[in-house]
Amino acid sequence: QKEVEQDPGPLSVPEGAIVSLNCTYSNSAFQYFMWYRQYSRKGPELLMYTYSSGNKEDGRFTAQVDKSSKYISLFIRDSQPSDSATYLCAMRKTSYDKVIFGPGTSLSVIP
Amino acid sequence: DGGITQSPKYLFRKEGQNVTLSCEQNLNHDAMYWYRQDPGQGLRLIYYSQIVNDFQKGDIAEGYSVSREKKESFPLTVTSAQKNPTAFYLCASSMPRGSGGVGETQYFGPGTRLLVL
Repeated sequence: QKEVEQDPGPLSVPEGAIVSLNCTYSNSAFQYFMWYRQYSRKGPELLMYTYSSGNKEDGRFTAQVDKSSKYISLFIRDSQPSDSATYLCAMRKTSYDKVIFGPGTSLSVIP
Repeated sequence: DGGITQSPKYLFRKEGQNVTLSCEQNLNHDAMYWYRQDPGQGLRLIYYSQIVNDFQKGDIAEGYSVSREKKESFPLTVTSAQKNPTAFYLCASSMPRGSGGVGETQYFGPGTRLLVL
């Protein structure tokens, strides 16, 4: 079993939809959780960073962590065509451990 | 304008050839990393360096080598021993251990795509 799993998609939604992207993980020691957005042929850029459980909101993006279920989510409200990208979840046990990345979910927002 | 630059954008390698990928950052970050990205797989760590003149192997270091002679630069050499080098290579940097929280999050360069002729 991989440490971090994501549905690779592709996920296709109409403009304006609410998008839910998810990751599951196996190691209960993970405490730091991140979401990166990666446009085609570009490097990943950090979208959200959360520590431990709970929700964090930033504009149209909400990150949710449920440590009891080993499940994290990224919600995108009012999705735009510019949100079309691959979304990578990432996590680490401590602030100085190596980061473990999920394989990414490909999202297309159709105008 | 701070950031991480990688060059070249595309690189072609002939069989038996060593090639070097460049990574430079002006973020004043101490730590730098090299990842390999293959379709359908998460980023895999090749090498990392927490400080100048020191570096550590990651999960897939075989067939690769690095140097860290300057804080700003962390070049990666793909040697002829790497039998399957075709991939997208990403360099990242972060603040050092102990800086806490999001400050230790890794920031990525634009990547280099390596292809074998």
